[in-house]
Amino acid sequence: GENVEQHPSTLSVQEGDSAVIKCTYSDSASNYFPWYKQELGKGPQLIIDIRSNVGEKKDQRIAVTLNKTAKHFSLHITETQPEDSAVYFCAASDGSNNNDMRFGAGTRLTVKP
Amino acid sequence: DVKVTQSSRYLVKRTGEKVFLECVQDMDHENMFWYRQDPGLGLRLIYFSYDVKMKEKGDIPEGYSVSREKKERFSLILESASTNQTSMYLCASSLSLGGTDTQYFGPGTRLTVL
Repeated sequence: GENVEQHPSTLSVQEGDSAVIKCTYSDSASNYFPWYKQELGKGPQLIIDIRSNVGEKKDQRIAVTLNKTAKHFSLHITETQPEDSAVYFCAASDGSNNNDMRFGAGTRLTVKP
Repeated sequence: DVKVTQSSRYLVKRTGEKVFLECVQDMDHENMFWYRQDPGLGLRLIYFSYDVKMKEKGDIPEGYSVSREKKERFSLILESASTNQTSMYLCASSLSLGGTDTQYFGPGTRLTVL
């Protein structure tokens, strides 16, 4: 089955700096890669996703890149703000059914004002 | 806006008790999920349901069962709670059978088993 590894487990940046979180996956059939943000006391919420037919996707200050050959994908947050502080999860799925999505262990991002 | 609600935010139970965690979604989604979230382990799938009365085991079903009698409600049952089931439990739902649908999560239930 799919195995997703996520690094780093914690990340601390200064407000205005960029943050990068990386994930690798094992199943070459995976073709859908969502990123979730979990704020304190809340459930994870989808912030961006990418499918295997594109290499990069951007939404304002966040972007995701995908390298299918190397089986890794990354989340990039530019101009970080204190409200970006949260736990971020990557996930991977081959799209065959809904119970094959596997999540990374999470990255706790702290943005210092 | 999709809303997924869970019956309790915090729950404290004793070893051996039967525990029910309830989840309700209001968007007529086909699929519902139960995960547990532990530090350093991410989200691990316990059970999944793709229709009323249908269920499939996830990665860690041992010690748990589920019930889906109505489309909007998915219950997680701990038949005899143990201390190693102390965790955060997250319910989620998604629209259809395809594996690329967004999963919408509830706020979680933090269960402590003494």
